[in-house]
Amino acid sequence: EAQVTQNPRYLITVTGKKLTVTCSQNMNHEYMSWYRQDPGLGLRQIYYSMNVEVTDKGDVPEGYKVSRKEKRNFPLILESPSPNQTSLYFCASTFFGTDYNEQFFGPGTRLTVL
Amino acid sequence: AQKITQTQPGMFVQEKEAVTLDCTYDTSDPSYGLFWYKQPSSGEMIFLIYQGSYDQQNATEGRYSLNFQKARKSANLVISASQLGDSAMYFCAMRAGANNLFFGTGTRLTVIP
Repeated sequence: EAQVTQNPRYLITVTGKKLTVTCSQNMNHEYMSWYRQDPGLGLRQIYYSMNVEVTDKGDVPEGYKVSRKEKRNFPLILESPSPNQTSLYFCASTFFGTDYNEQFFGPGTRLTVL
Repeated sequence: AQKITQTQPGMFVQEKEAVTLDCTYDTSDPSYGLFWYKQPSSGEMIFLIYQGSYDQQNATEGRYSLNFQKARKSANLVISASQLGDSAMYFCAMRAGANNLFFGTGTRLTVIP
């Protein structure tokens, strides 16, 4: 089954404790991205990657890191989480460069930083 | 700069009636795509419909249709024959340039029995 998986689905942590949210897709997509969703703000892009070893900042990259060592994986790293990073996070993937390129979303990760 | 605007924070519709969710966009890129996603209370993002900027006809997918008015820069979603399961958050999004998607703030639709 074609899918994007994220882990963990739910996480409660404390300020300053490094964490990683994993994202994996099995569709051989070149393009992957991370979004955060906050009430009243919709989804905002954090980082994206157009292929292995190619990453770039989205609209709200501060406080986040990513890596793309393999095509299928695109982890999101919070080196020192803060309460304002409490949010719902989505990973997404798609083929790059096609006109019609539906983004496939993971199930979401609900993060709470105390 | 790309911008998507959804001006209706919440909408109510009677079951079996049609409803239109508004979306306007702004971009200087001549090639772009417009998407609608549904987010039920369980949280996942469900793709509904797509409209390309060069498409001559309005997109339709079952009970969903996209009323694309290019000159007005609007891409409204029309849901016909509303069902209780249509109650959800709906997001309009635009792809311009690369694959980056820009989302609106969403409209919460409630279907009343």
